[in-house]
Amino acid sequence: GAGVSQTPSNKVTEKGKYVELRCDPISGHTALYWYRQSLGQGPEFLIYFQGTGAADDSGLPNDRFFAVRPEGSVSTLKIQRTERGDSAVYLCASSPQRGAYNEQFFGPGTRLTVL
Amino acid sequence: SQQGEEDPQALSIQEGENATMNCSYKTSINNLQWYRQNSGRGLVHLILIRSNEREKHSGRLRVTLDTSKKSSSLLITASRAADTASYFCATAYLTTGANSKLTFGKGITLSVRP
Repeated sequence: GAGVSQTPSNKVTEKGKYVELRCDPISGHTALYWYRQSLGQGPEFLIYFQGTGAADDSGLPNDRFFAVRPEGSVSTLKIQRTERGDSAVYLCASSPQRGAYNEQFFGPGTRLTVL
Repeated sequence: SQQGEEDPQALSIQEGENATMNCSYKTSINNLQWYRQNSGRGLVHLILIRSNEREKHSGRLRVTLDTSKKSSSLLITASRAADTASYFCATAYLTTGANSKLTFGKGITLSVRP
């Protein structure tokens, strides 16, 4: 079956612009996560959705970052007034059900470059 | 900040040899997972070990967990060139909603020479 998909695969924008990154999780997966991976580092948690609600947004770096999942499936990560430091690969993952023992299935990521 | 720390940072071995990678963490966990990331590709889940487990096997992979030392090791036996990748350990603990965000280390770069 289809895995997690993310669009676009690459996004180049100018400092100060607004960007939206999209994630399509595996069908039926109720949990959805966003991570950010900088060069040479491991992924860092941003936000987690269980269904439509954000259950944990403790990883969002500041109020320029916002994410939604209005129908409990597709999610959009929104970044306002982008800064060069926002450049990274943004990864989305989904997981099938509640509980602490589920592996997370990752998408290929969106590489964001802020000039 | 990232909780896990992997050791070594880079490892180069000959095809057929075993590769051992270590991970240490700082706070109590619910489970620990290992992921692989190939150049230009996404993260792939390899194996999960729960906090009440000490050892787990999956094919050529063997994972151990020592909660008293807050450490884990990943052993890949009979390595292949295709095992060349970055390997990450990720720790999970219960958060809001009884699910687990993952806290990753910086990763280990494994090179397997043909």
